[in-house]
Order: sequence, then structure tokens, then C-alpha cells
Amino acid sequence: GNSVTQMEGPVTLSEEAFLTINCTYTATGYPSLFWYVQYPGEGLQLLLKATKADDKGSNKGFEATYRKETTSFHLEKGSVQVSDSAVYFCALNYGGATNKLIFGTGTLLAVQP
Amino acid sequence: NAGVTQTPKFQVLKTGQSMTLQCAQDMNHEYMSWYRQDPGMGLRLIHYSVGAGITDQGEVPNGYNVSRSTTEDFPLRLLSAAPSQTSVYFCASSPRPADGYTFGSGTRLTVV
Repeated sequence: GNSVTQMEGPVTLSEEAFLTINCTYTATGYPSLFWYVQYPGEGLQLLLKATKADDKGSNKGFEATYRKETTSFHLEKGSVQVSDSAVYFCALNYGGATNKLIFGTGTLLAVQP
Repeated sequence: NAGVTQTPKFQVLKTGQSMTLQCAQDMNHEYMSWYRQDPGMGLRLIHYSVGAGITDQGEVPNGYNVSRSTTEDFPLRLLSAAPSQTSVYFCASSPRPADGYTFGSGTRLTVV
């Protein structure tokens, strides 16, 4: 079935470090891929998306490229800030009649000053 | 523009009690969903709707009912609360799921 696997956390980085959070997926067809962010005590916010192979989604310095050959959608940022501390969720939507959104388990990022 | 509004924000129930979690959106979105979030398990889909009058089960529907009489509202009913339903519940809506969902701020439910 359709599923999303993302790296276990927590990920602890120093400010200005490079961030990678790995995400791979299993899906039939051509799903849309998303990264959502959840700040403490809040709901989820859409961070970026990509709807077809080789698309690059980007927002707030974060980016991820839809790699169909490796079924991956890794999240990267060149220089993290303390304010980036949050839980990051990778997700896919595989369309069809139901258009369900399937989430990974989330990765906690803690950025230290 | 309020987006997706969930009420209440916090709730404590006794085992066996029933209640309704409210969700309303003012963006005229056709697609709406309910998720529960539990530590280490990400978000799991409870029920979803692709338009007024149309609902279906998600991954973990047992113990929950939904209805969608209007485009705006998508309430989630707990029929007889159990401690296993202690969780944070999120409602989300979308005009076109390939573009992503907008989430509410959540309801934290504790069943004792």
C-alpha cells in the first residue's frame, strides 16, 4: 500500500548547521509530496510541496526535490535557526477518488544557539 | 478569514461519555478530514469527506462517527469514550488535495 517513511528523530543541530531530513515513499502512480511543519502547541502548516517528478519545492530557505527514481523527497536547509525547531512531517497524496493524505511519523528538530 | 476552526481546544471526558468535536471552515473547501496524532505514530486518518453528504472511513475509524450536512462543517462524534482515544485531534480542509491541506489548531482530548 501507500506509505511514507522518514528518519527517526530527534535531530539536534547547532545554529547555522546544514539540515537534511530523509523521507522515502511507497505509492502507486504519481503522488503529490509535501512537507508540513508543526511548531510547539500548534497545528500543522504546509511548508512546501511538489506535484511531479524532478519538481523542487521551496519555502523559507527549505527545499526538497521529488526524486521518482529513488522514491525520495528529502528536506534540506543550508543554515538552520533556533526558530526552525519544530516537528517536520513528510506526506503524500495519491489522488484518485478519495485524495487521502498519508503522513510519516514526524521528525523532531531541535536547534541550539 | 478564519481558516479551519476547531472547538473545544481542550476536553476531559470520563470513560463511556460521548461528545462532539466541532470543525468549521470558511474557505468553501470540498475536502475535509479528521486525524488523530499520537506520539511516535504521526497522524492517522479517522474519517474524511469529499463533499457535503459524502463521508468515508480512514485508517482508524472505530469508535468515531462523522456527518457532512454542509460544506462548512464536519463534526466528529465520539460515541462512548475510551482511554485509547486520548489524543490530539486535527481537522483539515482542502479545495484540491494535490495542493495541500489547511489544518486547524487541534483539540487535545483526555479520557479518564
